[in-house]
Parts: sequence; structure tokens; C-alpha cells
Amino acid sequence: EAQVTQNPRYLITVTGKKLTVTCSQNMNHEYMSWYRQDPGLGLRQIYYSMNVEVTDKGDVPEGYKVSRKEKRNFPLILESPSPNQTSLYFCASSANANSPLHFGNGTRLTVT
Amino acid sequence: SQKIEQNSEALNIQEGKTATLTCNYTNYSPAYLQWYRQDPGRGPVFLLLIRENEKEKRKERLKVTFDTTLKQSLFHITASQPADSATYLCALQDSSYKLIFGSGTRLLVRP
Repeated sequence: EAQVTQNPRYLITVTGKKLTVTCSQNMNHEYMSWYRQDPGLGLRQIYYSMNVEVTDKGDVPEGYKVSRKEKRNFPLILESPSPNQTSLYFCASSANANSPLHFGNGTRLTVT
Repeated sequence: SQKIEQNSEALNIQEGKTATLTCNYTNYSPAYLQWYRQDPGRGPVFLLLIRENEKEKRKERLKVTFDTTLKQSLFHITASQPADSATYLCALQDSSYKLIFGSGTRLLVRP
């Protein structure tokens, strides 16, 4: 089944403790992206990747890192999480930057 | 600044009626416009894409219009069903491939 898989679904952590949210897609998609969703603000793009080893900042990249060493994986790294990064995070992929997105089921992160 | 507006109030309609959701934008020249459905606790699911040179697109009970003069897209669900209850997101994509999402409108279809 074609899908985007994020892990974990839920994560509670403390300020400053490094964490990684994994994202994997099995559709051989070139384009991958991370979004955060906050009430009233909609989905905001954090980082995106047009292909392997090609990443770029979205609208809200501060406090986040990404890597794209393999086509299928696009992990999101929070080196020193802060409470303002408490949010619902979605990974998405598409065949290319012009194609519709396939989303994962989200990771709800709480930073205390 | 660029802005996408969707009605933040929920749309509450009777089963069988046509639901119409609105997406307005300013200071933006989208090449594509997409509509997604999002259920609670789930990621958005793609529904329809319409290009700037297309006026209308249909898929089963769904219809999308795109008026670049009014800077507006309308999303219609005909013969609505309770299973259509969800939040619907519009997203605009310009020639730089950047996709910007609206904050969504919640649709409630009463049986």
C-alpha cells in the first residue's frame, strides 16, 4: 500500500532534549516536505526536499533540521526543542514539486 | 502580504444539500489550486487540482471552480452525506512550486 509513515504518532519531551521524527515513503517520490499545523494558522512548511541531498527552508525553519540521504527517508530533527515547537507535525511526499501531496498521519509533539 | 482566506466558521448543512466552501486569496498569482480533506487526527488527503487556465473541474460529487479575476475558488459537494463531514483545506501553488495552505473550513452534514 502506498503510504507515508511517520513515527512516533505522539511524543512528549522536555525543553532542550534532542529528538528526531522519522518519515518514510514507499512511492519513490522525489519531493518531500515537513509541515506543522497549529490552530488558526493552517499548515506551515518547515523544510522541503526536491531530491536526495537537496533540501531547502520553508516558511518556519527556525529550530529545525532535516536531511535527505536516501530517497525514501526525510527525518525532522529538533536539536533543542522549546515549548513553542509544541504542535502537530506532518510529513508529505509527491512525485515532484508540481504534484499533489501524500501526507502521513501526523506526529503530535508536546514540549514541556 | 500574501493571504489565503477560508471561512473559519463551520458550515452546517442538511444531508442531500449541496455544500459550497470558499477560498479567497490576495497578493498571489497561483499556477495551481488544490483542495484537500482532513479528518480529525489524520493527515490531509488530496481531492482535486485545478490549473489557472481551467475554470472548472469535476470528480464524482465534487466540483471546483477557479476565478483568477475574483481571486477565488469555490468547492462544491453535491448530494452531501454525513460521511462528507470533515475539514476542507485549499492550497495555492505559484510558479516557484511553493504550496501555501489555508487554515480550512469545517463541514458538518446533518443526517
